[in-house]
Amino acid sequence: GENVEQHPSTLSVQEGDSAVIKCTYSDSASNYFPWYKQELGKGPQLIIDIRSNVGEKKDQRIAVTLNKTAKHFSLHITETQPEDSAVYFCAASTGNYGQNFVFGPGTRLSVLP
Amino acid sequence: GAGVSQSPSNKVTEKGKDVELRCDPISGHTALYWYRQSLGQGLEFLIYFQGNSAPDKSGLPSDRFSAERTGGSVSTLTIQRTQQEDSAVYLCASSPRQERSYNSPLHFGNGTRLTVT
Repeated sequence: GENVEQHPSTLSVQEGDSAVIKCTYSDSASNYFPWYKQELGKGPQLIIDIRSNVGEKKDQRIAVTLNKTAKHFSLHITETQPEDSAVYFCAASTGNYGQNFVFGPGTRLSVLP
Repeated sequence: GAGVSQSPSNKVTEKGKDVELRCDPISGHTALYWYRQSLGQGLEFLIYFQGNSAPDKSGLPSDRFSAERTGGSVSTLTIQRTQQEDSAVYLCASSPRQERSYNSPLHFGNGTRLTVT
C-alpha cells in the first residue's frame, strides 16, 4: 500500500524567512496531494492541494510543487508569520474506492518573531 | 456554512466502560472518515463510509471498535471496554463523493479528545 514520508519533523524559522516541507510517496498511482495545517486543539484544515496533471500551484504565500518522476512533493511558505506556526501534514491519494488518503507523520513549524 | 461537527469535544471515561463519539458531516457530503490521532502523532485511518456502499473497516484496530452511519449522514464511533491505549483525539472528516479518478479534499471536525483513566 501507499507510504508517505515527511521531513523535517520539526522546523524553526525566523519571521519573514521561507519554510519548506518535503514529502515522498511510494505508490505511482497516487494522483492527488493535499496539504493540511493543524493548530492546537483543532482539526486539520486544507491549505492547498495539487493534482498529478500539474507541476506547481501557488496561493498567495503558499506554493506546492510536485515531481511525479521522483515521487515527491513539497510545500513552500514564503514571508512566514507567527500565525503560520502549526503542524503541517501532507497526504497522498490514489483515487480508488476505500481508504484512499494516506497522511505523512507531520511537521511542527515554529515561526520565531 | 456549517462545518463538520463532533461531540463531545472532550470525554473522560474509566477503563472498561463503553463510549460513543458522534460526527455530523457537512450537509450533502456522502463520504465520511474516522481517524485517530495519538498525542503528537499523525493521523491513523479507522473507517470510511461512502454513500450506501459497504464501509471500509480495514483500519479498525480491534473488534472493540465499531462505527455506523445512519441515513447516510450522522455517524457514531463506538469503543467497547475502553483501554488506556485508546486515549487519543478521534477526528471525523467528510467530503463530497470520492470518484475513482477524482479525489475531493477532506473537511475535518475539531475532534473528540478521549481520555481513559
